[in-house]
Amino acid sequence: AQSVTQLDSQVPVFEEAPVELRCNYSSSVSVYLFWYVQYPNQGLQLLLKYLSGSTLVKGINGFEAEFNKSQTSFHLRKPSVHISDTAEYFCAVSEGQGGSEKLVFGKGTKLTVNP
Amino acid sequence: NAGVMQNPRHLVRRRGQEARLRCSPMKGHSHVYWYRQLPEEGLKFMVYLQKENIIDESGMPKERFSAEFPKEGPSILRIQQVVRGDSAAYFCASSRVSGANVLTFGAGSRLTVL
Repeated sequence: AQSVTQLDSQVPVFEEAPVELRCNYSSSVSVYLFWYVQYPNQGLQLLLKYLSGSTLVKGINGFEAEFNKSQTSFHLRKPSVHISDTAEYFCAVSEGQGGSEKLVFGKGTKLTVNP
Repeated sequence: NAGVMQNPRHLVRRRGQEARLRCSPMKGHSHVYWYRQLPEEGLKFMVYLQKENIIDESGMPKERFSAEFPKEGPSILRIQQVVRGDSAAYFCASSRVSGANVLTFGAGSRLTVL
């Protein structure tokens, strides 16, 4: 069965600092990988996704993530964060093409950007 | 083109009452998914429906929960005889074709059971 581990439940950083939110997954099949952001009292917004091809994926709002198959990781990075990036971030996985329709989510990482 | 619309956004029920949550998918989308987010948890898959068909309900609790997506109208997630443990945010997502890689999520319905 697939599972997703987000190693940090909370990450506080100062504005303009770089940030990395960690995500590891377990799966016995090829996977699609996703990062979603949830602002307070709002739904999920897709930041970026890896389906195939280049292992470095660029998303919205200056975020990027790198798929590392050998380490089964998909860490999210941003070189310089803003106050407005304060939100909860969820990593998710699904089986690749022809596989499950379901997304399996991690428990989330709360990113707090302080002035 | 409106996104995935969920209502009500907030619902308060007393124990034993029924809760009905509605989801209107994006225009042209015929695949609907329901997820539940318990406090301090990630989202968990509940059910996947296409028009008039339940495709996968492996994440639905065995009792009190049901879902439908009729030919006309929104998808409905129904919870009978609610208990405090049902308090959660319920998110709907839709897609034009099948596949977890093309989902659009709604803003969610937050159920509070007193």
